[in-house]
Amino acid sequence: DQQVKQNSPSLSVQEGRISILNCDYTNSMFDYFLWYKKYPAEGPTFLISISSIKDKNEDGRFTVFLNKSAKHLSLHIVPSQPGDSAVYFCAARRRSNYQLIWGAGTKLIIKP
Amino acid sequence: DARVTQTPRDKVTEMGQEVTMRCQPILGHNTVFWYRQTMMQGLELLAYFRNRAPLDDSGMPKDRFSAEMPDATLATLKIQPSEPRDSAVYFCASGLGQVVDTQYFGPGTRLTVL
Repeated sequence: DQQVKQNSPSLSVQEGRISILNCDYTNSMFDYFLWYKKYPAEGPTFLISISSIKDKNEDGRFTVFLNKSAKHLSLHIVPSQPGDSAVYFCAARRRSNYQLIWGAGTKLIIKP
Repeated sequence: DARVTQTPRDKVTEMGQEVTMRCQPILGHNTVFWYRQTMMQGLELLAYFRNRAPLDDSGMPKDRFSAEMPDATLATLKIQPSEPRDSAVYFCASGLGQVVDTQYFGPGTRLTVL
């Protein structure tokens, strides 16, 4: 059973527009959420995170929103740039043992 | 420029052969993770170590997979015998501290078992 779900395998967005990537989780055993970005032939790199006690965290063009009642996480990228084309992974950290549970990833394509 | 290194980057082997993947964590990091990524799944945790001691390897098929840290600068993941279903990209990541908020990933080893 997938505890962290990214239901969109891919997303295509026009350069300059907003990209919104979504992630859902199934229960309340997570205390921390992270987004990682992955380019082809490279490992994932950390992008932004949010604690479960917050509902928003912003870093430059990247903002992560957490809706605990809906068990939903989203990453907003504004404005989208060609270099943002990558696979984005959502990960949730377990309260009990601090392990990360990962979603399957969403491939973001920024069109010129 | 500190980074996690993994060797080999690509490995093609035949079913039944032994495969060993190596990882050099970032110097000073005390936690090492092994993940597997397949086409349909996200990153699946296979095992992780803290201060060279295995903390959890419940994600690994025990009959064929083994993970070790012979020293602080080397982690290994071995598959013996390999099977076609083991074909995937294997990532190593390292981090620092009791609670690792940020994991630093290597470039991965792409394994193909024919």
